[in-house]
Amino acid sequence: DSGVTQTPKHLITATGQRVTLRCSPRSGDLSVYWYQQSLDQGLQFLIQYYNGEERAKGNILERFSAQQFPDLHSELNLSSLELGDSALYFCASSVVDRPNYGYTFGSGTRLTVV
Amino acid sequence: GESVGLHLPTLSVQEGDNSIINCAYSNSASDYFIWYKQESGKGPQFIIDIRSNMDKRQGQRVTVLLNKTVKHLSLQIAATQPGDSAVYFCAESTNTGNQFYFGTGTSLTVIP
Repeated sequence: DSGVTQTPKHLITATGQRVTLRCSPRSGDLSVYWYQQSLDQGLQFLIQYYNGEERAKGNILERFSAQQFPDLHSELNLSSLELGDSALYFCASSVVDRPNYGYTFGSGTRLTVV
Repeated sequence: GESVGLHLPTLSVQEGDNSIINCAYSNSASDYFIWYKQESGKGPQFIIDIRSNMDKRQGQRVTVLLNKTVKHLSLQIAATQPGDSAVYFCAESTNTGNQFYFGTGTSLTVIP
């Protein structure tokens, strides 16, 4: 157990729907990072939050949004889902707002859009 | 964005042999590198890291080598075991960056 908790582990939904993925960071970590992993793209950075504030954005679509709550858990909202959104979604957490002291990944949410 | 690539997408080794997984990166400003291992259905797991002020770092059965001149990183696994079968990613970051840039991964298969 890495200490980073992601729920749900699996999600199957239809195109056009909206889903919310949840991440609880490791105890003491203030920063949360979201990544998308698809077969042909590898791990792609989506967005980072640090202590409730957005810190960095990567290749995140406008249909996707995220937030970090006062208790530091984070949610990634995916809307108007398309088949191509099917992927593994990982969050990672770190103590500081930069990853260059490494971070810890959760076990991911597998999203299947049908 | 940064380009981090792996030379070989798949690697098969005999149990007990040493494995070498290579990675090239393009950002000369990158100063922190990590190797992650990802088993099927699991999240990436930290193996070993190295900063740009070093050229070699050793862990338990693993060694990372960094050649900044040619922007190349390698992971050496000694006495490879079946449990080492997984996808291995290298990732790079800079001191001012907010993310890691990951390669596409090398799938290591250990043959018993």
